[in-house]
Amino acid sequence: DAMVIQNPRYQVTQFGKPVTLSCSQTLNHNVMYWYQQKSSQAPKLLFHYYDKDFNNEADTPDNFQSRRPNTSFCFLDIRSPGLGDAAMYLCATSRDPGQRGLPRSGETQYFGPGTRLLVL
Amino acid sequence: DQQVKQNSPSLSVQEGRISILNCDYTNSMFDYFLWYKKYPAEGPTFLISISSIKDKNEDGRFTVFLNKSAKHLSLHIVPSQPGDSAVYFCAAREYGNKLVFGAGTILRVKS
Repeated sequence: DAMVIQNPRYQVTQFGKPVTLSCSQTLNHNVMYWYQQKSSQAPKLLFHYYDKDFNNEADTPDNFQSRRPNTSFCFLDIRSPGLGDAAMYLCATSRDPGQRGLPRSGETQYFGPGTRLLVL
Repeated sequence: DQQVKQNSPSLSVQEGRISILNCDYTNSMFDYFLWYKKYPAEGPTFLISISSIKDKNEDGRFTVFLNKSAKHLSLHIVPSQPGDSAVYFCAAREYGNKLVFGAGTILRVKS
């Protein structure tokens, strides 16, 4: 089955110790997204890749970086995690709606199961 | 500043009855509205969407209504089933395919 995979499902790190979360997809979608979701809050977009083009949200802290070495993989790097970075991190993918004009039903995003990050 | 709001954190409904989940938004530039459903330990999955040029979209037991003048949309599930128990996220699409999410509503369907 085509899908979005996130590893690990749970990640524990220490305050200030760099951590990397990974996402892979078999959907061959050219757009990939990273969201941060804190408890009882809305998923918040951190950044997204449009093919190799990186698009950062204006309010995403510099502490968060991303890499996309190829179509299938995307990584979220947190350079110096703080206690406030503990959250669920969701990866999502989509096709590019612009390449085919207006989508019929709203081009949807496909989500992975998320990685829950705990910072000690 | 939240552009998409789901003001009810939770909703409890009896099996067979109608579930109505509500969502309000502030940005009139949103062109699509989507509902996602999330079970524990899984990522959100797409449920149903509606274009801003329509006022209703139906898919089986699920219907989404859009009131543009009120900047309000709602998801109706009828009849509700225990398997519908999940977190429901309302989302609105900005330019490109960027989505702005609400905080979610936990739906519990009691049998």
